[in-house]
Amino acid sequence: AQSVTQPDIHITVSEGASLELRCNYSYGATPYLFWYVQSPGQGLQLLLKYFSGDTLVQGIKGFEAEFKRSQSSFNLRKPSVHWSDAAEYFCAVASSGGYQKVTFGTGTKLQVIP
Amino acid sequence: EAQVTQNPRYLITVTGKKLTVTCSQNMNHEYMSWYRQDPGLGLRQIYYSMNVEVTDKGDVPEGYKVSRKEKRNFPLILESPSPNQTSLYFCASSSAVYEQYFGPGTRLTVT
Repeated sequence: AQSVTQPDIHITVSEGASLELRCNYSYGATPYLFWYVQSPGQGLQLLLKYFSGDTLVQGIKGFEAEFKRSQSSFNLRKPSVHWSDAAEYFCAVASSGGYQKVTFGTGTKLQVIP
Repeated sequence: EAQVTQNPRYLITVTGKKLTVTCSQNMNHEYMSWYRQDPGLGLRQIYYSMNVEVTDKGDVPEGYKVSRKEKRNFPLILESPSPNQTSLYFCASSSAVYEQYFGPGTRLTVT
């Protein structure tokens, strides 16, 4: 069975500092991996996705993520955080093969301090 | 405007009273899903649909039903709601490339 672990429930960073949010997955084949962001009271918005190819993927809002098969990780990074990045971030894995069973992690809440 | 709509956005009901949450998308997507979001648990997939008349269970299907009679609509049915179904529900749709578009959410309270 597929699973996703986000080990950090809550992270606080200063505005302008760099950010890394951790995500570890478990899946038998090549996974389809995603990062979503949820602002307070809002739905989820896709930041980036990885299906295959280049293991460093670029997303919206200046985010990037790196797929490391050997570590079963898909960590999200941003070089300089803005106050508007405060939100909850979810990593997700989807099964390949034409159907869409999707498993989300439990989320990491990001607080940005001035 | 491409969007996923859900109705109602907020609902308070009593145990055992059947309810339906509607979901509609205007992007001609084949895939649609329902999730529930609970604090500390993230989003858990309830059901998903790969096309009209094709549905399958996600991780937490107990107590829920779905139907997909038209491509654009994917209603979630709670035939006998219970307090443990109090949650925030999201509908999502996607094309075959898995990029999901989420609705605004429905906050359900069952007393």
